[in-house]
Amino acid sequence: AQTVTQSQPEMSVQEAETVTLSCTYDTSESNYYLFWYKQPPSRQMILVIRQEAYKQQNATENRFSVNFQKAAKSFSLKISDSQLGDTAMYFCAFLLGGAQKLVFGQGTRLTINP
Amino acid sequence: EPEVTQTPSHQVTQMGQEVILRCVPISNHLYFYWYRQILGQKVEFLVSFYNNEISEKSEIFDDQFSVERPDGSNFTLKIRSTKLEDSAMYFCASSVGIPYGYTFGSGTRLTVV
Repeated sequence: AQTVTQSQPEMSVQEAETVTLSCTYDTSESNYYLFWYKQPPSRQMILVIRQEAYKQQNATENRFSVNFQKAAKSFSLKISDSQLGDTAMYFCAFLLGGAQKLVFGQGTRLTINP
Repeated sequence: EPEVTQTPSHQVTQMGQEVILRCVPISNHLYFYWYRQILGQKVEFLVSFYNNEISEKSEIFDDQFSVERPDGSNFTLKIRSTKLEDSAMYFCASSVGIPYGYTFGSGTRLTVV
């Protein structure tokens, strides 16, 4: 079974700083997808960024980028120029190719301080 | 931007009562899901639904749970006889196709008393 581990329960940085959230996963498969979801205090789950395992190039979405290290099974999220609105719970998630269910990590609570 | 809509946003029910959580997925999406998140814990998969039938379900999704797409737009989760441990945030999600990730609704907070 696939597992996702986020080793940082909480992080806190100053506004405008760069922050990196860690995620590791365990799978013996080669075809899969990885996601970062953001859950602000409103509790809605918002897709931040996605990465296909077959792509070597790291995904980027504006201030959000990932460092995907397939051999190390690592998928970290970097937030540049952090903003107060980035304060949220961040979940790393894994989806096996051809499967239906997302497997989530435990989440990292990120606080951006003014 | 298209949204997944869930109603109600918060429901309080007595233990043993039946509840129906409602969702309107994005109109051109083909895959529908229910997840739940017990307070302070990780998000857990309950069930996926495609082509008018359950395609996968977790061990949590026992006989007390059922899903239905009663018409072309709604997708419902029914809990037949609620237990205290069913208290959680329930998220509906839909997807146009597996690799693109899901769009989640804003959730229904279910409180069983």
